[in-house]
Amino acid sequence: DAGITQSPRHKVTETGTPVTLRCHQTENHRYMYWYRQDPGHGLRLIHYSYGVKDTDKGEVSDGYSVSRSKTEDFLLTLESATSSQTSVYFCAISESGPNTEAFFGQGTRLTVV
Amino acid sequence: SQQGEEDPQALSIQEGENATMNCSYKTSINNLQWYRQNSGRGLVHLILIRSNEREKHSGRLRVTLDTSKKSSSLLITASRAADTASYFCATDALDSSYKLIFGSGTRLLVRP
Repeated sequence: DAGITQSPRHKVTETGTPVTLRCHQTENHRYMYWYRQDPGHGLRLIHYSYGVKDTDKGEVSDGYSVSRSKTEDFLLTLESATSSQTSVYFCAISESGPNTEAFFGQGTRLTVV
Repeated sequence: SQQGEEDPQALSIQEGENATMNCSYKTSINNLQWYRQNSGRGLVHLILIRSNEREKHSGRLRVTLDTSKKSSSLLITASRAADTASYFCATDALDSSYKLIFGSGTRLLVRP
């Protein structure tokens, strides 16, 4: 299995609080992605990174920010959590972007109450 | 909006039968990938087909790509109960970005 770890695996937080999810990889892959998965919507891209300090928005980036200060870590922050951000969040890594296979973490189940 | 849309949304078949899932996408692509997700788990890559390829095989999997129709199909032959999972197609965005965009998936149930 590719070395990719998401933390925490489960989190319950209150509306209005900031939340940070971490994706850590040991594969030295350049590309990293954050997705959310909701019933009926498949996986939707939130943000992605194509190198250290290089990030860009995906399809559903409002209310989220990311940072990548080193190759191995890609952080996703919900600036002020809302109930609509209750979801399962997946991180993925890829050696060469969308032209090669991506490896996924096990997901973080986030509940905003 | 999502680049790829799978059809059907759900499929139930008997063990031993073949399962066919389709993916349609909106814009030109460089490649298309198929992934599998077991319940509650992360996705696992199955196969990648490039835009200049028409068909690709991997074990019991057969993928076709028709760029003129902007569609792909995934065929699983001689299905097994263990094939029960959700299947997703994913494409690049061809907008000079590095996005990897997923469809909404097909839920496959293989009955023993």
